Amino acid sequence: GQNIDQPTEMTATEGAIVQINCTYQTSGFNGLFWYQQHAGEAPTFLSYNVLDGLEEKGRFSSFLSRSKGYSYLLLKELQMKDSASYLCAGAAGNKLTFGGGTRVLVKP
Amino acid sequence: DAGITQSPRHKVTETGTPVTLRCHQTENHRYMYWYRQDPGHGLRLIHYSYGVKDTDKGEVSDGYSVSRSKTEDFLLTLESATSSQTSVYFCAISETGTGNNEQFFGPGTRLTVL
Repeated sequence: GQNIDQPTEMTATEGAIVQINCTYQTSGFNGLFWYQQHAGEAPTFLSYNVLDGLEEKGRFSSFLSRSKGYSYLLLKELQMKDSASYLCAGAAGNKLTFGGGTRVLVKP
Repeated sequence: DAGITQSPRHKVTETGTPVTLRCHQTENHRYMYWYRQDPGHGLRLIHYSYGVKDTDKGEVSDGYSVSRSKTEDFLLTLESATSSQTSVYFCAISETGTGNNEQFFGPGTRLTVL
């Protein structure tokens, strides 16, 4: 299957910026999703990139480079409530393939 | 929030017993998915459905079967539960399944097989 790699865990300070990288094989995916998942809860949609470039949504931005098989999620002005896991998922046809998720811990 | 529920929310069962999990949606979405989530593995697709009576396998389908007799319900059956199937199971729905069609997730079912 398609491999999607992202770091396991990251720590950042409240008010700072954190960038979560996601890499994947360049063939097979026609779009890239990011989901947020708080502990014990369901994943919720954050962003979708199908074209190269940066998509900005408030404090969250997502970037995609299809030729490099690379995406990142940028979280700005971190808040304590941003402590969660962030899941990168590649879209192929009508299915998603998820990475293992990156757990972000925001410290005061 | 998308109208998607799962039942039961928690279940403890014994090895060798059959178990059925239910996913119910009120959004009339065509696509429905079953995932399992385990530490270190993220979300993995078990089976999915692209219409009533139309289903296909995901990457971890062994030991699982599904049925979809009506649009709103998607059932996941563990034919003979094993301890390796202890996991959190999420159902998801999607309107068209392609392109910018996010999947909406249910609240999850925590299954423990003793």
